[in-house]
Amino acid sequence: LAKTTQPISMDSYEGQEVNITCSHNNIATNDYITWYQQFPSQGPRFIIQGYKTKVTNEVASLFIPADRKSSTLSLPRVSLSDTAVYYCLVEVSNAGKSTFGDGTTLTVKP
Amino acid sequence: EAGVAQSPRYKIIEKRQSVAFWCNPISGHATLYWYQQILGQGPKLLIQFQNNGVVDDSQLPKDRFSAERLKGVDSTLKIQPAKLEDSAVYLCASSFLAGKLNEQFFGPGTRLTVL
Repeated sequence: LAKTTQPISMDSYEGQEVNITCSHNNIATNDYITWYQQFPSQGPRFIIQGYKTKVTNEVASLFIPADRKSSTLSLPRVSLSDTAVYYCLVEVSNAGKSTFGDGTTLTVKP
Repeated sequence: EAGVAQSPRYKIIEKRQSVAFWCNPISGHATLYWYQQILGQGPKLLIQFQNNGVVDDSQLPKDRFSAERLKGVDSTLKIQPAKLEDSAVYLCASSFLAGKLNEQFFGPGTRLTVL
């Protein structure tokens, strides 16, 4: 399984766009990239998943360059409630095997 | 739609005692996962079931941990005997399919404290 590397922590202010980058140098051809959000005392919650280029949903965008060795989660106009830990996962297609790293703690300040 | 249910929510035991956790996944989800999350770390996959078969248990400490998935629905995770380092939150998750578009839905977890 591809190992992922993320910054340990990030700070931002309300209304700003936040970009969290994840490195996954050993990603395989059939692997997918998935991001989860976790609040204290709760289980992780799915945010977005992608294979290449750009994926956008109602809460975030995921940018994956052509070499797929990294990916960037973009959160537009964050609010205080976006303060959480964000995990990048590489998942093996057709197997579901995945490994969570230690995540990025995002703190949004007023 | 009902989410993933887990019980108990909290458990305190002494080392060398036994403990069991229960998980009821979302109806129709074929894949079920058990994770261990130690404070300050990301979730670590212990075991993954596809229906009632084991897909991956490579990180399950099999000398003390066991898990089963009855009839491909509910699942139990047991620790016997517990050690101090087993103190963690045990998360259960389920997904409709494994792999592509594999959105995992997590339960609230069981916080285990081993004294």
